[in-house]
Amino acid sequence: AQSVTQLGSHVSVSEGALVLLRCNYSSSVPPYLFWYVQYPNQGLQLLLKYTSAATLVKGINGFEAEFKKSETSFHLTKPSAHMSDAAEYFCAVSDKERGGYNKLIFGAGTRLAVHP
Amino acid sequence: NAGVTQTPKFQVLKTGQSMTLQCAQDMNHEYMSWYRQDPGMGLRLIHYSVGAGITDQGEVPNGYNVSRSTTEDFPLRLLSAAPSQTSVYFCASSYSGTRMAETQYFGPGTRLLVL
Repeated sequence: AQSVTQLGSHVSVSEGALVLLRCNYSSSVPPYLFWYVQYPNQGLQLLLKYTSAATLVKGINGFEAEFKKSETSFHLTKPSAHMSDAAEYFCAVSDKERGGYNKLIFGAGTRLAVHP
Repeated sequence: NAGVTQTPKFQVLKTGQSMTLQCAQDMNHEYMSWYRQDPGMGLRLIHYSVGAGITDQGEVPNGYNVSRSTTEDFPLRLLSAAPSQTSVYFCASSYSGTRMAETQYFGPGTRLLVL
């Protein structure tokens, strides 16, 4: 079974500092990986996804993630944090239900706080 | 496009009561699903549907019922609410239910408190 581990349930950075949110996956097949963001009292919004086309994936709002097969990682980064980046971030891997249909396996989430 | 919409936004129930969480999408997506979000556990799949009249169970289906009579709507029913069902519920949809790279689009969520 596939799984996702997000290291650090809470990350705090200063405005302008580098954002690094860690995600490691376990998969027996080439994975399809996603990062979603959840702003307070809102639903999940796709930031970016890895579909094997390129190992460095650029997303919205200046975020990017690098797929590293040797490390089974898909860490999310942003060079300079903004106050508006404060949110919860979820890493997910695509998997199949027993009927052959898709489901997302989510990590536990990382709450990002940005301080002035 | 309104995307994926959910009602209500917030609901308080007493143990044993039943209710229906509504979900609708206007993107003509064939695949719809329900997840619940609990602290420290991410989101877990409850039920999903791959088209009108076709539904199946996900990871945590007990205590929930679904049906899909139209492409647009996918309601989630709590048959007899229990405190363990206190959670935030998200509905999601995607065009395909079989392509693993498919993006799933999420609704704004329903926050449910069972007393």
